[in-house]
Amino acid sequence: SQTIHQWPATLVQPVGSPLSLECTVEGTSNPNLYWYRQAAGRGLQLLFYSVGIGQISSEVPQNLSASRPQDRQFILSSKKLLLSDSGFYLCARDTYYGYTFGSGTRLTVV
Amino acid sequence: GDSVTQMEGPVTLSEEAFLTINCTYTATGYPSLFWYVQYPGEGLQLLLKATKADDKGSNKGFEATYRKETTSFHLEKGSVQVSDSAVYFCALSDRYRGGSQGNLIFGKGTKLSVKP
Repeated sequence: SQTIHQWPATLVQPVGSPLSLECTVEGTSNPNLYWYRQAAGRGLQLLFYSVGIGQISSEVPQNLSASRPQDRQFILSSKKLLLSDSGFYLCARDTYYGYTFGSGTRLTVV
Repeated sequence: GDSVTQMEGPVTLSEEAFLTINCTYTATGYPSLFWYVQYPGEGLQLLLKATKADDKGSNKGFEATYRKETTSFHLEKGSVQVSDSAVYFCALSDRYRGGSQGNLIFGKGTKLSVKP
């Protein structure tokens, strides 16, 4: 199985509040994992990727951070959310056949 | 850097109409090319892929051919259905750059609405 679990599915948070989105994967060990954000009118933007435990690469500077405390766990965090952080966040892993995506988290910052 | 450009939507078609969604790319090497589909409220699903020039990816009646000479990967379907209404993303993988990670670069997506 290459299933990816993301939660929560939807989230409404006030500006300035913290954030923690979790992604867990099933299947083979040591997967490459990715966080993408889909904002209205802007397509999909790669935020972070990880090739192993504790290894995080950031694609864009921002107030978000990511961590990989376990092989199959990838967490997206923020200490203080901004309005511009609203969007649809997708976790993905790559496989021989292409990427497998989770079902996403819809974040609305109010 | 590498990039993907796809036609802007939304695209509205009647059922059984012919569909073309244009996609062109810019890359310095030989990327793999993908089409992903996103149904309302869901994550992305791989629709089809092609890994080298002249390859044709196909799935669920959709087709796309990797054209290196025109750097294109246009998505086509001969007869669309209402159930095909979704957002379609063209993407390329820069895995050819080496290393264990291959980041997908996406186009902005094209929303397709099919009317009965």
